[in-house]
Amino acid sequence: DTGVSQDPRHKITKRGQNVTFRCDPISEHNRLYWYRQTLGQGPEFLTYFQNEAQLEKSRLLSDRFSAERPKGSFSTLEIQRTEQGDSAMYLCASSSSSGDTDTQYFGPGTRLTVL
Amino acid sequence: DQQVKQNSPSLSVQEGRISILNCDYTNSMFDYFLWYKKYPAEGPTFLISISSIKDKNEDGRFTVFLNKSAKHLSLHIVPSQPGDSAVYFCAGDSGGYQKVTFGTGTKLQVIP
Repeated sequence: DTGVSQDPRHKITKRGQNVTFRCDPISEHNRLYWYRQTLGQGPEFLTYFQNEAQLEKSRLLSDRFSAERPKGSFSTLEIQRTEQGDSAMYLCASSSSSGDTDTQYFGPGTRLTVL
Repeated sequence: DQQVKQNSPSLSVQEGRISILNCDYTNSMFDYFLWYKKYPAEGPTFLISISSIKDKNEDGRFTVFLNKSAKHLSLHIVPSQPGDSAVYFCAGDSGGYQKVTFGTGTKLQVIP
């Protein structure tokens, strides 16, 4: 396993369309995170899964956003009725709950542009 | 509410010299602090961390110092190399669900 992968790497969509992103974590990692990063800012936490359970969601995650991790492996992040303000880099990270620390390993991100 | 602040958006250093990246935080609940490095078109890569009960952690050319009374940490890179040119993010981990709060980043340029 070479690390966290995300698909697609780039997505251009028109305002009002729905988009879905996929994240495949490191295979032995049970924790999965979604972040959003805009220009000049650090990654901002969106949501967190432990196995298939979504345990925390940021207030940044409006009701147009939904994330799933149905089998505790890959995860999807869907944005409905996209808005121009949704344009950002969406980052996925994974980590393992075993061990002393919980270092998160990031994927390359999906860059979303909403026209 | 910026819980983690990196007040220097950029830094230029000559190859071979020391790079010092600074970070301030306001959240006293952070258990760990982490530094991530990010190259263009890639996700952040974990670099080094420090527990809130320690004041120094060293890994090769990278050393992180923590001053809890000042709520300040710094990353030292010695000697700096051109391959170190990247954006460096400081982050705090408050435990619980391992939610990590990132700073805004400092772009380091190491000049050959």
